[in-house]
Amino acid sequence: GEDVEQSLFLSVREGDSSVINCTYTDSSSTYLYWYKQEPGAGLQLLTYIFSNMDMKQDQRLTVLLNKKDKHLSLRIADTQTGDSAIYFCAESIAAGNKLTFGGGTRVLVKP
Amino acid sequence: GAVVSQHPSWVICKSGTSVKIECRSLDFQATTMFWYRQFPKQSLMLMATSNEGSKATYEQGVEKDKFLINHASLTLSTLTVTSAHPEDSSFYICSPWNGENTGELFFGEGSRLTVL
Repeated sequence: GEDVEQSLFLSVREGDSSVINCTYTDSSSTYLYWYKQEPGAGLQLLTYIFSNMDMKQDQRLTVLLNKKDKHLSLRIADTQTGDSAIYFCAESIAAGNKLTFGGGTRVLVKP
Repeated sequence: GAVVSQHPSWVICKSGTSVKIECRSLDFQATTMFWYRQFPKQSLMLMATSNEGSKATYEQGVEKDKFLINHASLTLSTLTVTSAHPEDSSFYICSPWNGENTGELFFGEGSRLTVL
């Protein structure tokens, strides 16, 4: 079955860049997502990338996709304290299909 | 992004009672609704998928008679946890899909259920 893996924790200093990595096993993955979850809150869609793309940039966020290695990363430039949260990567084989989530990476931004 | 409203945000109930959670898509029509749950310090797991006007499809290990899903309209879906037990305590989150091929999927704010 599908499997999505993420590192558990990342600590970064305010102003530095953060890079969160994710690997997945399903070669049929078509859409790959990054969500942010703050304590006690739901999931906020940060960005997503279609599998025929290598990179997507949206303001401070850059997503890189290596389809051959099934590796996805999220880079947050100029990390702020408000970026402290849990970040989930997820994959789907088609629009409107269920998402399979990674375990989440807790990002702690230190002043 | 899309506006998805869940109610209640949190609920505490006694063991054996039933709890209903509502999910509304406020600015688009949800032809499909996904219901996920998240246990403490864990990731989200899909419970069931429902299409408007049809019976829900449940994931393996999720009891359909315990978690009743109603998706009678394009803007409202409900999840009822029947005869709740402490092990049902979790964070329940809905995710509506409008049928478009954009890939975007949004989530509600979640409903935290605590069963005493």
